[in-house]
Amino acid sequence: EPEVTQTPSHQVTQMGQEVILRCVPISNHLYFYWYRQILGQKVEFLVSFYNNEISEKSEIFDDQFSVERPDGSNFTLKIRSTKLEDSAMYFCASSEARSAGISYEQYFGPGTRLTVT
Amino acid sequence: AQSVAQPEDQVNVAEGNPLTVKCTYSVSGNPYLFWYVQYPNRGLQFLLKYITGDNLVKGSYGFEAEFNKSQTSFHLKKPSALVSDSALYFCAVRDIPGGSYIPTFGRGTSLIVHP
Repeated sequence: EPEVTQTPSHQVTQMGQEVILRCVPISNHLYFYWYRQILGQKVEFLVSFYNNEISEKSEIFDDQFSVERPDGSNFTLKIRSTKLEDSAMYFCASSEARSAGISYEQYFGPGTRLTVT
Repeated sequence: AQSVAQPEDQVNVAEGNPLTVKCTYSVSGNPYLFWYVQYPNRGLQFLLKYITGDNLVKGSYGFEAEFNKSQTSFHLKKPSALVSDSALYFCAVRDIPGGSYIPTFGRGTSLIVHP
């Protein structure tokens, strides 16, 4: 069964450093997402991406964050200058499609645990 | 605005007994509702969804959920729990019609099935 993969599984970085989290969505999916989950808290939506551009983003997704699909398979989340409060599990997800009448389920990767020290 | 609540942080049940994981929602219009499961060191896995039609929705691994509009609930159920069902369960809701295609997730409920 196809699955979403993420690398690395755990990233430790110092405050102020840049990090790039990588994801390989399911190959025939068209919509891509990043979520984060701070320990013990809700899964929070960050951004969705379609047709090489951001389609929706939350208030969490400020100028420190950016996303990119550098080639036909990878989908990356960059945090430019990490803060302590960025420590969380970051999940990538993808879905086949999206339309007003149908809500397609999302397929999630295993997550990257980001620890900012 | 859309929101979802999972009132229990943890549910404990003995193997073989029925299980219920609770979810209530709030939307302006009509809801799309989802349940996901997260096993240790894995991503969230889709279990089932309610879009329209029959209020009882059947999903993966023998799970089902009942949409109750009057109580704004979408509780996850299974007639006979297995130890392997122990995991973190997330409810999610999307408001229809709404400006966002993105579902809102609950905090998650940890299900522990005891042998």
